[in-house]
Amino acid sequence: DVKVTQSSRYLVKRTGEKVFLECVQDMDHENMFWYRQDPGLGLRLIYFSYDVKMKEKGDIPEGYSVSREKKERFSLILESASTNQTSMYLCASSLRISVDYEQYFGPGTRLTVT
Amino acid sequence: AQTVTQSQPEMSVQEAETVTLSCTYDTSENNYYLFWYKQPPSRQMILVIRQEAYKQQNATENRFSVNFQKAAKSFSLKISDSQLGDTAMYFCAFMRLESGGSQGNLIFGKGTKLSVKP
Repeated sequence: DVKVTQSSRYLVKRTGEKVFLECVQDMDHENMFWYRQDPGLGLRLIYFSYDVKMKEKGDIPEGYSVSREKKERFSLILESASTNQTSMYLCASSLRISVDYEQYFGPGTRLTVT
Repeated sequence: AQTVTQSQPEMSVQEAETVTLSCTYDTSENNYYLFWYKQPPSRQMILVIRQEAYKQQNATENRFSVNFQKAAKSFSLKISDSQLGDTAMYFCAFMRLESGGSQGNLIFGKGTKLSVKP
């Protein structure tokens, strides 16, 4: 079974703090993604990566950065957390080319910025 | 740019009945996939069903089936014999295929919250 894990289920941070969200997958997937999920807005892509040390901006990259030093790990960084970054953050991974193109999701991190 | 629209923010259904969730999309692509993902309360998002655009036959997975109308750009999900465990957020998603067969990014609808009542 594919497993995608995220470092925290719940996180509370103060405005201005630097925040790290970690995601690890154990299936040797090339692709990794960070989404933000807000009620009534669905999932929006923040950043994605097709390979180690590669990153591409998604639809809402402002205020975020990412790091992929190893194939299995994809980190989302909030350089200076703000209250409008309070949200659920979902990580996902997938094969670059596959027969089904399924993305596998982690359990999510609910981040509250106060 | 592709867009995905789910027009029903919330729905409810009685246990054992059938319910249909709507999804429409907009694209000029010919080579793409469509998906329904399910997110149960406080649990991970999982894939329910997928449809390749070039296949005319509607996909089915046990109690889940789709009605794929390519010309109308419609992709609805039918859940038969609804069970309490079907209670979840359901997201419709679109993905175009890049050159060489690699996947493009998923574009999600805003979701439909389905409640199955006993």
